[in-house]
Amino acid sequence: DAKTTQPNSMESNEEEPVHLPCNHSTISGTDYIHWYRQLPSQGPEYVIHGLTSNVNNRMASLAIAEDRKSSTLILHRATLRDAAVYYCILRDEGKSGGSNYKLTFGKGTLLTVNP
Amino acid sequence: GAGVSQSPRYKVAKRGQDVALRCDPISGHVSLFWYQQALGQGPEFLTYFQNEAQLDKSGLPSDRFFAERPEGSVSTLKIQRTQQEDSAVYLCASSLNLDRDEYFGPGTRLTVT
Repeated sequence: DAKTTQPNSMESNEEEPVHLPCNHSTISGTDYIHWYRQLPSQGPEYVIHGLTSNVNNRMASLAIAEDRKSSTLILHRATLRDAAVYYCILRDEGKSGGSNYKLTFGKGTLLTVNP
Repeated sequence: GAGVSQSPRYKVAKRGQDVALRCDPISGHVSLFWYQQALGQGPEFLTYFQNEAQLDKSGLPSDRFFAERPEGSVSTLKIQRTQQEDSAVYLCASSLNLDRDEYFGPGTRLTVT
């Protein structure tokens, strides 16, 4: 499985933007970049995903480098509810079926949001 | 709408006991995944189903672990002769299909004493 590298922890202030980086220098052409987050005592929650172009949804934005070897999850205005572990995951969706679709989590980035 | 539910939420088992953990996926979701999450770690894949077919069980740590989804809906993860190293949170996730986003349940926290 292609590997991702994230900082262990980051800190932010409430209502400020947060940029969570992820390096994935061995990404393959069929790897999609997925972000999930896990709030305390809950299961992971889907945030956003993309392949090449930047993506926006109601939760966040995903900025993908032109060479796809890194990406950044952007929370535009952090709230206390955004305090969680954020996981950057590569999922190979180039082959039909099979175990490519399982999510391979690392340790993620623990985001602390200060009031 | 109803999300993925898991029961029990907490389970304490004595070493050597058998346990059964239940997952109710979102209605209509074809794919179902089980993950194991040790304290301070990210979730690790155990197995997944497409309808009732178990297509990958490469993550099951030993033959004491067994999962089934006989009617393509509810799934049960069974652990026989539990050991202390089995203590973890067991997460279930479902998705409309393999290439869609996974929706996770709250997990079952298993403590083996």
